[in-house]
Amino acid sequence: QKEVEQDPGPLSVPEGAIVSLNCTYSNSAFQYFMWYRQYSRKGPELLMYTYSSGNKEDGRFTAQVDKSSKYISLFIRDSQPSDSATYLCAMSAGTSGSRLTFGEGTQLTVNP
Amino acid sequence: GAVVSQHPSWVICKSGTSVKIECRSLDFQATTMFWYRQFPKQSLMLMATSNEGSKATYEQGVEKDKFLINHASLTLSTLTVTSAHPEDSSFYICSANDRRGIETQYFGPGTRLLVL
Repeated sequence: QKEVEQDPGPLSVPEGAIVSLNCTYSNSAFQYFMWYRQYSRKGPELLMYTYSSGNKEDGRFTAQVDKSSKYISLFIRDSQPSDSATYLCAMSAGTSGSRLTFGEGTQLTVNP
Repeated sequence: GAVVSQHPSWVICKSGTSVKIECRSLDFQATTMFWYRQFPKQSLMLMATSNEGSKATYEQGVEKDKFLINHASLTLSTLTVTSAHPEDSSFYICSANDRRGIETQYFGPGTRLLVL
C-alpha cells in the first residue's frame, strides 16, 4: 500500500464548476501538507501549504486537512480553463531534510 | 520570492557524452536541494538529496557514479549525467528548501534531456 493515495483521474469539468481533489495517507507522522500544480512540461508550482489540521483559503483555492481521518482536500471554486493541469498532493513529517512524499497526481481539464 | 532556476531547459546529446544540469535558488539560501526524475504521466521520482558541502544521499536504485551531484554552495547544485544513454532521456527537476522558511520545497522549471 502506498503511503499517499491520490486518484489519478483524469477529471474533466465545465468552466465555473467547483473542483474537489483529495488525497489519503497512512503515515500519522505527516504534519506538513502541500498542493502543487504542474502544467505540462513544467516544474511543480506550490499552490497551498498547511501545517497540521485545518482550513486555508487563498483566492479561489481552499485546502483542508483532517489529520484524524488522514485525509486532505483541495477545492477550486469558479474553475477556469487555465486551471487545467496536474495537481499533486505532497506531505512531510518535518524530518529527513524536508523530504516530501507525493501522491500520483490528478490530471484536471476545465472545459470552456 | 522562493524562485528556483534550472539551466539548460532542454538538451539533446549523443549517447556516451556527459550532460551537466544546474539548479540555483535565486532569492534564498537552500538548506537542502533535491533532484527528481519524471516520466510522462507519472509522478516525481526522488533521485537524491544534497546538502551544501556534503555528499549527496541517493535513493535506492539510483547509480551515484552515473548521476553525479555537486552542491557547491547554498544557492547552487549541479547534476551531471555521465556517459548518457537513450534510457536516461527524461525530465529532470530540482527543488530547494528555504533554510529560513516553511517546511516545503520550491521547484525549478525542469530540464528535458534527450539522448540520441
